[in-house]
Amino acid sequence: AQSVSQHNHHVILSEAASLELGCNYSYGGTVNLFWYVQYPGQHLQLLLKYFSGDPLVKGIKGFEAEFIKSKFSFNLRKPSVQWSDTAEYFCAVTPGNTDKLIFGTGTRLQVFP
Amino acid sequence: DAMVIQNPRYQVTQFGKPVTLSCSQTLNHNVMYWYQQKSSQAPKLLFHYYDKDFNNEADTPDNFQSRRPNTSFCFLDIRSPGLGDAAMYLCATSRGRIQETQYFGPGTRLLVL
Repeated sequence: AQSVSQHNHHVILSEAASLELGCNYSYGGTVNLFWYVQYPGQHLQLLLKYFSGDPLVKGIKGFEAEFIKSKFSFNLRKPSVQWSDTAEYFCAVTPGNTDKLIFGTGTRLQVFP
Repeated sequence: DAMVIQNPRYQVTQFGKPVTLSCSQTLNHNVMYWYQQKSSQAPKLLFHYYDKDFNNEADTPDNFQSRRPNTSFCFLDIRSPGLGDAAMYLCATSRGRIQETQYFGPGTRLLVL
């Protein structure tokens, strides 16, 4: 079965630290890749997405992600986190020419001042 | 400016008492989705409508039904809620089916007593 793995369930960082959240998927064909963020008490919002082209994707708020096809990975990065980045981060995949969004279980990020 | 609206935000129902959750959108998107998210788990797709075409996920219980009377509105009906149906229910929309971003509402948290 197709699945998405986020190995970091809970990450705690101090402000200005660098962030990398892992995301791996199990699907051998073409995929569309997403990172969503959910701030406390708010709805899921798109952070960035990859459909094709440059595998290094830049999103909002200084986030970026790199698609490495050989590793089935789409890790999220930010060079310097802020307290306002405290949120839950979900990686998601739509395999091939489908619209079925398969989510990972999420990573809870806490940033302390 | 809310684009995907869900009402109510919190819903309490009794075991076995039918309940309906609603979703509306101002984006004029063709596709509307319903997801179930239990605590500390990934959102799980229940079903979706592409225009009036209903698509049920294979593992969605028969207890869950949906209606889409027009482009803007979509309803989730739970015919006989059980304790295990307590969850956050997320509505999402997208313009089309392939290589499209899904936009999420704030969710309705369902409590079953």
